[in-house]
Amino acid sequence: SQQGEEDPQALSIQEGENATMNCSYKTSINNLQWYRQNSGRGLVHLILIRSNEREKHSGRLRVTLDTSKKSSSLLITASRAADTASYFCATDERGGFKTIFGAGTRLFVKA
Amino acid sequence: GAGVSQTPSNKVTEKGKYVELRCDPISGHTALYWYRQSLGQGPEFLIYFQGTGAADDSGLPNDRFFAVRPEGSVSTLKIQRTERGDSAVYLCASSRAAGNTEAFFGQGTRLTVV
Repeated sequence: SQQGEEDPQALSIQEGENATMNCSYKTSINNLQWYRQNSGRGLVHLILIRSNEREKHSGRLRVTLDTSKKSSSLLITASRAADTASYFCATDERGGFKTIFGAGTRLFVKA
Repeated sequence: GAGVSQTPSNKVTEKGKYVELRCDPISGHTALYWYRQSLGQGPEFLIYFQGTGAADDSGLPNDRFFAVRPEGSVSTLKIQRTERGDSAVYLCASSRAAGNTEAFFGQGTRLTVV
C-alpha cells in the first residue's frame, strides 16, 4: 500500500497564481521527496527534504516538512502553463531503503 | 549511459504468456528500483536491488513476478503467466546509493495484456 497521500487530488489554477499541494504519510521517515510526472511516463526528481529539515527552496519551489504532523507541502510560485503535470510525494521509511509514492496531485495551469 | 533506459517502451502480450522487461541504469548507480504504475495512481514499489542482491522484494505481488540483476548493472523484470491485471506501466529507477539520494527514472515500459 502507498504511504503518502496527496491533497488535493486535482488542482486547476491560472498562470501566475501559486499552487500548493499537501502530502501526509504514516510512519517515521528518513527523508521526503517530491517528483513531477508529465503526461509521458518518466518521473523527474524535484526536491528532497531530510527528516531534520523544516523547509527547503529550489527556484520557484518551496517545500515544508512537519514530522510531528507527518505532513509536507509543495508550493509552486508564479505558476506557468508548463508546470501542468502530476506531482507525487515519496518517502523513504526509517530503517529501510524503499521509496513509497502517494497517489499524486494533478495540477493544471491555464494560460 | 546518460539516463536510465528501459526496453521495450511498449509491450503487448497475450494472457498466459511470459514477458521480460529490461532496465539499464545509470552507470555507477548501485541501487535499482522497479515500480508499477496504473492509470491515475502513483508508482507502486515492487523490488529494490543493492548491487546484485534483491535487498527488498516485498512489493512483488505474487510468485509470477521475479527480477534479477546478475552483474549489478542491468536488471530484468520477469512476469510469468501474465494476466490482464498485470497491464500497467513498469518503471525502473536507479540511484547512486540507497536512501537519501535522488532517484532517476526511466520512461517506463507500457505492458498491455490482452
